[in-house]
Amino acid sequence: GAVVSQHPSWVICKSGTSVKIECRSLDFQATTMFWYRQFPKQSLMLMATSNEGSKATYEQGVEKDKFLINHASLTLSTLTVTSAHPEDSSFYICSALGSSYNEQFFGPGTRLTVL
Amino acid sequence: AQRVTQPEKLLSVFKGAPVELKCNYSYSGSPELFWYVQYSRQRLQLLLRHISRESIKGFTADLNKGETSFHLKKPFAQEEDSAMYYCALMAEFGAQKLVFGQGTRLTINP
Repeated sequence: GAVVSQHPSWVICKSGTSVKIECRSLDFQATTMFWYRQFPKQSLMLMATSNEGSKATYEQGVEKDKFLINHASLTLSTLTVTSAHPEDSSFYICSALGSSYNEQFFGPGTRLTVL
Repeated sequence: AQRVTQPEKLLSVFKGAPVELKCNYSYSGSPELFWYVQYSRQRLQLLLRHISRESIKGFTADLNKGETSFHLKKPFAQEEDSAMYYCALMAEFGAQKLVFGQGTRLTINP
């Protein structure tokens, strides 16, 4: 199957700083990527849908100015958590949908801890 | 609003016993439903989808529109089936957005 990577796998930052998380489709071109957030012992909540070359579509309640998403190429989407606060600490997961697949392939996730 | 409910957070059965993971959904249109599995220290991966009507690793799931359910079943559980299972609904065709249930942690006892 197709492989999706995320970098970094974990990050610790100070409150008020910004953190960038990368999501890459390694062996296929992803027309659409999705960003999810998962709190401990809870389900995945979709944050936004990212299409290559266009603005991301955010789910209700997700602050687009806080969670900046860029999908500049068919293999890379980035999520930047701006001015991070402790409540932003979570597990962030991306998935990618290829043009030749009818399935979302998930990355391994990135654990963000904001001190 | 679209919603997926997995009533059991934890489910424990003995090896060789039948297992059923429950999933109910709320959706006004024609849903596409999925089961995803996450083994220990691994990423989320697709187990099966209702439109494929196939059995994967001995698991099957039937969409029951009358009961709005998509329960996952396996007649004889194996230890390697121990994992976290998520039921998911595709809310909008074309957008490919998924709505996930809370997940059920399945433990198969030897």
